[in-house]
Amino acid sequence: RKEVEQDPGPFNVPEGATVAFNCTYSNSASQSFFWYRQDCRKEPKLLMSVYSSGNEDGRFTAQLNRASQYISLLIRDSKLSDSATYLCVVTYNNNDMRFGAGTRLTVKP
Amino acid sequence: EAQVTQNPRYLITVTGKKLTVTCSQNMNHEYMSWYRQDPGLGLRQIYYSMNVEVTDKGDVPEGYKVSRKEKRNFPLILESPSPNQTSLYFCASGATNTEAFFGQGTRLTVV
Repeated sequence: RKEVEQDPGPFNVPEGATVAFNCTYSNSASQSFFWYRQDCRKEPKLLMSVYSSGNEDGRFTAQLNRASQYISLLIRDSKLSDSATYLCVVTYNNNDMRFGAGTRLTVKP
Repeated sequence: EAQVTQNPRYLITVTGKKLTVTCSQNMNHEYMSWYRQDPGLGLRQIYYSMNVEVTDKGDVPEGYKVSRKEKRNFPLILESPSPNQTSLYFCASGATNTEAFFGQGTRLTVV
């Protein structure tokens, strides 16, 4: 079983749609959680950190459920520019980072 | 400017010819790591380093070596490259439990 699992998609949604991604992790000692965005053939970049209380950044909302060991990302009012691959990242042992395989999102006009 | 620099960005080489991909960061991060990314498999960790002279195997270390003699540099060495090491490689660095910063990637082709 992979340490971090994501639905690979692809998710194809129209502009303005709301889309949600889930991610599960297997190591209960995990310490920090992030969502990264990766555009085609480019390096991953931090989208947002994920906190137990949940956090929001504009159209993006991230949630963490430690008891069930899953993380979610909600994107509201999707834009064409949101098209990318979204990577779930879990860290443990002081910064050892493990990535999910990524969920590909395509937002269409 | 805070950055992680990888070189080269693109490399085509032949089977068995030793090569090194360099990675350098200017943020004084203790943690550095190498990943390879292949279609459908996502980012897989090759090696990582928690500090100078401390390195550990990731998920796919076979065929690779690393060294961490200085804090800023973390080169990836392929002693005898093979075609199955054709991939997109990323170096990353980070401070404890904070975001990781990635280099721009190295696209390696082994023929």
